[in-house]
Amino acid sequence: DSGVTQTPKHLITATGQRVTLRCSPRSGDLSVYWYQQSLDQGLQFLIQYYNGEERAKGNILERFSAQQFPDLHSELNLSSLELGDSALYFCASSETSGRFYEQYFGPGTRLTVT
Amino acid sequence: AQSVAQPEDQVNVAEGNPLTVKCTYSVSGNPYLFWYVQYPNRGLQFLLKYITGDNLVKGSYGFEAEFNKSQTSFHLKKPSALVSDSALYFCAAYYGGSQGNLIFGKGTKLSVKP
Repeated sequence: DSGVTQTPKHLITATGQRVTLRCSPRSGDLSVYWYQQSLDQGLQFLIQYYNGEERAKGNILERFSAQQFPDLHSELNLSSLELGDSALYFCASSETSGRFYEQYFGPGTRLTVT
Repeated sequence: AQSVAQPEDQVNVAEGNPLTVKCTYSVSGNPYLFWYVQYPNRGLQFLLKYITGDNLVKGSYGFEAEFNKSQTSFHLKKPSALVSDSALYFCAAYYGGSQGNLIFGKGTKLSVKP
C-alpha cells in the first residue's frame, strides 16, 4: 500500500458528461501528479500540483482540469467526455517537487465512457 | 525530443534464471532514471532510481539496475527470477528542469514460468 488513495475505483458514464476523480496524497507529501494510462498511449503525464499551485503541465486536454486544495488532496475534472477518454487515471504523490524524488502511485480510477 | 524506449514488449524467463529488462533513454542534460513495477489491477510501485554516483543501483525485491552513460541505457536486472516477479515493468526518465516531470517507456511484460 503506497499510502495514496483514489476514489472512486470505477466510474462508468456516458459521452458528454462530466466526472470528478479524487486523490489523497501520502501524509506529508506536497506534490500531486495525475497520469492517464491507456493501451494505445501508454502512461501519459497530465498535470502536477505542488502545495496548492500548478507546477507542471503535460498532455492534458483543455476539457480536463485539476486543482489541489489546502488540505493537499487533489481533484481531476473531466468534462465533455468522449469514448477515447476511457482509461485508467492514476494519481501519484511525492515529498516535494523535482528530479530527485520518486513518486508513489495510487491504485487508480478506471473510467469507462459509453 | 525526450524519450524512453523499452524495446521488448514481453520477456519470458524460467524461475531461478537471471532476468534483464531493457531500457534506453534520450533526455537532455544529466539523466535521472527510475524503474517502476505494476501488478495487475494495481498502481505503479517504485523499485529503484539512479540520480548520480555508482552505476549499479540496488532496489526493492532484489532488483538492481545498471546505468550505462555511453550506451544511454538503464537495464533492470535480477540474479534469480521468481514467479511472483511476473508483472509489467516501466522505465522512466525525468526531463524538463525544475518544472519537469517523468516520461515513461511503454512497459515490458515480464513472465516468469515455474
